[in-house]
Amino acid sequence: QKEVEQNSGPLSVPEGAIASLNCTYSDRGSQSFFWYRQYSGKSPELIMFIYSNGDKEDGRFTAQLNKASQYVSLLIRDSQPSDSATYLCAVTPSGGSYIPTFGRGTSLIVHP
Amino acid sequence: EPEVTQTPSHQVTQMGQEVILRCVPISNHLYFYWYRQILGQKVEFLVSFYNNEISEKSEIFDDQFSVERPDGSNFTLKIRSTKLEDSAMYFCASSVMSNNEQFFGPGTRLTVL
Repeated sequence: QKEVEQNSGPLSVPEGAIASLNCTYSDRGSQSFFWYRQYSGKSPELIMFIYSNGDKEDGRFTAQLNKASQYVSLLIRDSQPSDSATYLCAVTPSGGSYIPTFGRGTSLIVHP
Repeated sequence: EPEVTQTPSHQVTQMGQEVILRCVPISNHLYFYWYRQILGQKVEFLVSFYNNEISEKSEIFDDQFSVERPDGSNFTLKIRSTKLEDSAMYFCASSVMSNNEQFFGPGTRLTVL
């Protein structure tokens, strides 16, 4: 069973701070890593994807991947109240399938 | 910006009834997917579809479920005899290729009474 683990939170940060969201995965050969944002009652919205070790930046978002330690993280700089949502980590496995396994998600609350 | 659409947004049905959930994937995408999310739980993969056939399915996708692409735009999920535990949000997604990022539709909330 390939597992993707996230702290359910909530993670509470003040407006303007950096929010750090973490995800670990069990399949060492995992290929692709995705971060989705999900507002309550809505569908997952893709924020970022990362395939290689290191950092990938897109606007206020930075994804960090460390395959040796089997974790991927998402940093949100200058957090805004509108960033308050559940952040889902999704990981595609080794072995030829490209179907991602989703984590339970971390609830982020950005308070003014 | 192109997006995945789904209808209906909410479906209420009686246990044992058949339901069909509809999706229109993004037009140049080749791979289509159905996921479900029971309230408060993880997003779970049901099935993927490519070139008019199922390419992968999960253990959840048993004989009660079927998928179809009846025309050039729609992609449907049929549940033949709904059970109470089928109550969930059902998301359709699509991607250009199998190893590309997937884009999700807004979902259909299925309530089985």
